[in-house]
Amino acid sequence: QKEVEQDPGPLSVPEGAIVSLNCTYSNSAFQYFMWYRQYSRKGPELLMYTYSSGNKEDGRFTAQVDKSSKYISLFIRDSQPSDSATYLCAMTNAGNNRKLIWGLGTSLGVNP
Amino acid sequence: NAGVTQTPKFQVLKTGQSMTLQCAQDMNHNSMYWYRQDPGMGLRLIYYSASEGTTDKGEVPNGYNVSRLNKREFSLRLESAAPSQTSVYFCASSGQEGGYGYTFGSGTRLTVV
Repeated sequence: QKEVEQDPGPLSVPEGAIVSLNCTYSNSAFQYFMWYRQYSRKGPELLMYTYSSGNKEDGRFTAQVDKSSKYISLFIRDSQPSDSATYLCAMTNAGNNRKLIWGLGTSLGVNP
Repeated sequence: NAGVTQTPKFQVLKTGQSMTLQCAQDMNHNSMYWYRQDPGMGLRLIYYSASEGTTDKGEVPNGYNVSRLNKREFSLRLESAAPSQTSVYFCASSGQEGGYGYTFGSGTRLTVV
């Protein structure tokens, strides 16, 4: 079993929909949780960064961490065609030589 | 501010040829990483350098070597390319001011025939 599990999709939604992307993990030591967005033929870019449990909001994006369930989510409100990309979750704990553990990524398509 | 710069962007090699992928960052980051990304396999760490002067193996180091030339530059070398090394290669860096987040380069698409 992988340390981080992420459904690869693909996920297809109509424009304006609320999107929920999720990852589960097995290592209870993870404290830092990230979501990256990767457009086709580009490098991943950091989208959201959360420490420990709780919610973080940035515009249309909300990241949620539930450490008790070992479950993280990314919500996208009012989704746009420009949100079509692959979304990767990543996480780590302090003192891990800054190495991230990655999910496989979920491919999202937002249809106009 | 360029961030992380990778060269070349595309490369085709014949089996057995060698090449070096170059990576440079201008953010004064201590840590640098080389990943490969393949369909269905996600990002896999090849080598990393936690700080200048140190390098360590990642998940899939076989067939690769690295050099941390200075704080800015981290190169990846394929000594004898094999078709299994056909992939997209990403360099990334991270530093204290960015927490544990990485900044990635735009990637090198390598095909070995």
